[in-house]
Amino acid sequence: KQEVTQIPAALSVPEGENLVLNCSFTDSAIYNLQWFRQDPGKGLTSLLLIQSSQREQTSGRLNASLDKSSGRSTLYIAASQPGDSATYLCAVTRLGNAGKSTFGDGTTLTVKP
Amino acid sequence: DAGVIQSPRHEVTEMGQEVTLRCKPISGHNSLFWYRQTMMRGLELLIYFNNNVPIDDSGMPEDRFSAKMPNASFSTLKIQPSEPRDSAVYFCASSGGASETQYFGPGTRLLVL
Repeated sequence: KQEVTQIPAALSVPEGENLVLNCSFTDSAIYNLQWFRQDPGKGLTSLLLIQSSQREQTSGRLNASLDKSSGRSTLYIAASQPGDSATYLCAVTRLGNAGKSTFGDGTTLTVKP
Repeated sequence: DAGVIQSPRHEVTEMGQEVTLRCKPISGHNSLFWYRQTMMRGLELLIYFNNNVPIDDSGMPEDRFSAKMPNASFSTLKIQPSEPRDSAVYFCASSGGASETQYFGPGTRLLVL
């Protein structure tokens, strides 16, 4: 059974700092990995999706990397802003289970002005 | 596109009552997912459909829960009878086309008294 872990559970940084969020998974036979953002009381918004054949994806100030062999993914946020404050979740879809994703519990990020 | 639409946004009911949650996926998407989110258990996949057919319902907690997708533009999740432990936020998501990205609705916040 796939298990997805995100550490730390919460992170507080001053505005302007670069930061890295971590996601680890136990089964490396994955189909893809997706990073989401969730604001309080809202649904999830997709940030980046990395296919199993890819090493990284970039969108603006966000960069996500994937290392299947070590079962890890990182989400790098450059020049953080207060508007980046949210909970960030990663979701792993296992090979042979297309569509069935396992989510981590998320990292709650607070960017202080 | 209006995105994934869910109704109602909030539901308060008494134990034993029937609850029906509704979802309209993004037009053209062929996969639909129902998730439940709680503080204790995080985000859990309940069931997902592909081309209106249920593919995996192993996450449905018990027989009190049922889901249908009568056509490509509508799905329901029904709880009968409801119990206080069913209180949670229920999300619907859809994906399809060239992208496997899952797009989430705003969720239905259910409180069973």
